[in-house]
Amino acid sequence: AQSVTQPDIHITVSEGASLELRCNYSYGATPYLFWYVQSPGQGLQLLLKYFSGDTLVQGIKGFEAEFKRSQSSFNLRKPSVHWSDAAEYFCAVAPQTGTASKLTFGTGTRLQVTL
Amino acid sequence: GAVVSQHPSWVICKSGTSVKIECRSLDFQATTMFWYRQFPKQSLMLMATSNEGSKATYEQGVEKDKFLINHASLTLSTLTVTSAHPEDSSFYICSASPRGNTEAFFGQGTRLTVV
Repeated sequence: AQSVTQPDIHITVSEGASLELRCNYSYGATPYLFWYVQSPGQGLQLLLKYFSGDTLVQGIKGFEAEFKRSQSSFNLRKPSVHWSDAAEYFCAVAPQTGTASKLTFGTGTRLQVTL
Repeated sequence: GAVVSQHPSWVICKSGTSVKIECRSLDFQATTMFWYRQFPKQSLMLMATSNEGSKATYEQGVEKDKFLINHASLTLSTLTVTSAHPEDSSFYICSASPRGNTEAFFGQGTRLTVV
């Protein structure tokens, strides 16, 4: 069965510092890959997605992610974090053979930003 | 982008009563919608796939008689939590995709508290 692992439950970074959130997946074939952000009590906003092609994906709010097939990873990065980036981040996968709406989520990483 | 609206945003109900949550696609038609459940500080778990004009498909371990799903039109799916108990208290989120679109759009979520 497919699974998504986010090893870091909670990360704290200083404003202006760089950020990397880790995501590993276990899947029979390369799935669609997503990163979502969730503010407290809110729904989810898509940051970026990978379907095929260039393995470095640019998203909104200055985020990017790199797909590494050999490592089954899709880590999220941002060169300089802003205080408003504090939120919960979810990595998710969906099968390429089905609808990309049927998502399997990782456990999430809570990002705290210190001033 | 496509907009998915959930109503209500929050609801408090007494134990033993039923609660209905609506998920609407405002500017597109969705033959399939998805319902997720999120416990505090945990990830989103897929509960069921809502199919317009047919029965919903439930994930393993989800009680179909307790979580009734109706997808009566191409823009509306409803989730009814029947005979709610405190353990049903959770954050419920729906998602949908326009036909042929590979991105999921999420509602704002509904915070259910059963007292």
